[in-house]
Amino acid sequence: EAQVTQNPRYLITVTGKKLTVTCSQNMNHEYMSWYRQDPGLGLRQIYYSMNVEVTDKGDVPEGYKVSRKEKRNFPLILESPSPNQTSLYFCASTYGTGRRAILEQFFGPGTRLTVL
Amino acid sequence: DQQVKQNSPSLSVQEGRISILNCDYTNSMFDYFLWYKKYPAEGPTFLISISSIKDKNEDGRFTVFLNKSAKHLSLHIVPSQPGDSAVYFCAASEARGSTLGRLYFGRGTQLTVWP
Repeated sequence: EAQVTQNPRYLITVTGKKLTVTCSQNMNHEYMSWYRQDPGLGLRQIYYSMNVEVTDKGDVPEGYKVSRKEKRNFPLILESPSPNQTSLYFCASTYGTGRRAILEQFFGPGTRLTVL
Repeated sequence: DQQVKQNSPSLSVQEGRISILNCDYTNSMFDYFLWYKKYPAEGPTFLISISSIKDKNEDGRFTVFLNKSAKHLSLHIVPSQPGDSAVYFCAASEARGSTLGRLYFGRGTQLTVWP
């Protein structure tokens, strides 16, 4: 089954404790992206990757790191999480060829993160 | 500063009638627009898109209209069904090579379709 998977789905952690949220897709997509969803703010793009070893900042990259060492995986790293990073996080992917392909993204189920 | 705005946080419509969801944008460089639908506890799913070279795109019950001069787009759902109840996000992108992968979302509109 073609899908984008995220782990963990739920996480409660404490301020300053490094964490990684994994994202994996099995569709051989070039493009992957991370978003956060907050009440009243909608979806905001954190980072995106057009292909392996190519990453770029989105709207709200501060406090986050990403890496794209292989095509299928795009982990989101919080080196020192803070309470303002409590949010619902979505990973997405799509084919990288052509403008339309980049924009019509497949989203994962989400990871709900709480930082105390 | 939000470049894509959905000023109505919620909309309630009776089953069978038309739902009209609105979206405004400020960046004149945006040239591609999309609508995503999101159910609770799921990720968003792509619904329909429109390029700035068009003013209308239709897909079954869903039609998106684009008014470039007003920097406004709308999503029409006809007829509305209870299964359409979800949060709808408007999104936009600009064609500049340096930001080709950026996607700007609005805050979403919660549509409720009642029987």
